Amino acid sequence: GAVVSQHPSRVICKSGTSVKIECRSLDFQATTMFWYRQFPKQSLMLMATSNEGSKATYEQGVEKDKFLINHASLTLSTLTVTSAHPEDSSFYICSARDPGSLPQETQYFGPGTRLLVL
Amino acid sequence: EDQVTQSPEALRLQEGESSSLNCSYTVSGLRGLFWYRQDPGKGPEFLFTLYSAGEEKEKERLKATLTKKESFLHITAPKPEDSATYLCAVGMKTSYDKVIFGPGTSLSVIP
Repeated sequence: GAVVSQHPSRVICKSGTSVKIECRSLDFQATTMFWYRQFPKQSLMLMATSNEGSKATYEQGVEKDKFLINHASLTLSTLTVTSAHPEDSSFYICSARDPGSLPQETQYFGPGTRLLVL
Repeated sequence: EDQVTQSPEALRLQEGESSSLNCSYTVSGLRGLFWYRQDPGKGPEFLFTLYSAGEEKEKERLKATLTKKESFLHITAPKPEDSATYLCAVGMKTSYDKVIFGPGTSLSVIP
């Protein structure tokens, strides 16, 4: 149980284009999902918390107009990197809490999406 | 300031050589401490959640313990397949959602 998937696993795009990353909870309904960013040899940095049916809460320093988050259903959250630039190249990972499993605070992570902006 | 540190940054062990990884934290109120394993290019895999000082959890060759200031992840007789980065994360009472991740310990187990 508590499986989270991400798509795509890897994407290469040109500078100035937008990229959408999907995060799905496969066997549970997630009212809350999280988006993280990880640079090489560094730990995970929380970008935003996504709540189903409401606006995402962004961490300080994260541009909400650049990183658009939509959590339209209990099993799907999307992160759109708008007008991507090379400095946005990173490993993006989503996670979700499974309210039906204990402990409820535990976050289960997707496999990540490697974004390379040329 | 709330923060999580881990040591050592990297650890090389011979197969069968037991050791411990450390996670130290300073937070205003601990809601829970989480251990994850992360393989290269993959998302973190959940291992344990600890809530209170004195608590211990075990899974195969791994045992996690918790005190008021730190947590240890003990690895007994490790195998090459235990090679990964081990991440510690702390949840705070002031925020149900947010957790702070430590920088991780990169473990290599040599056959």
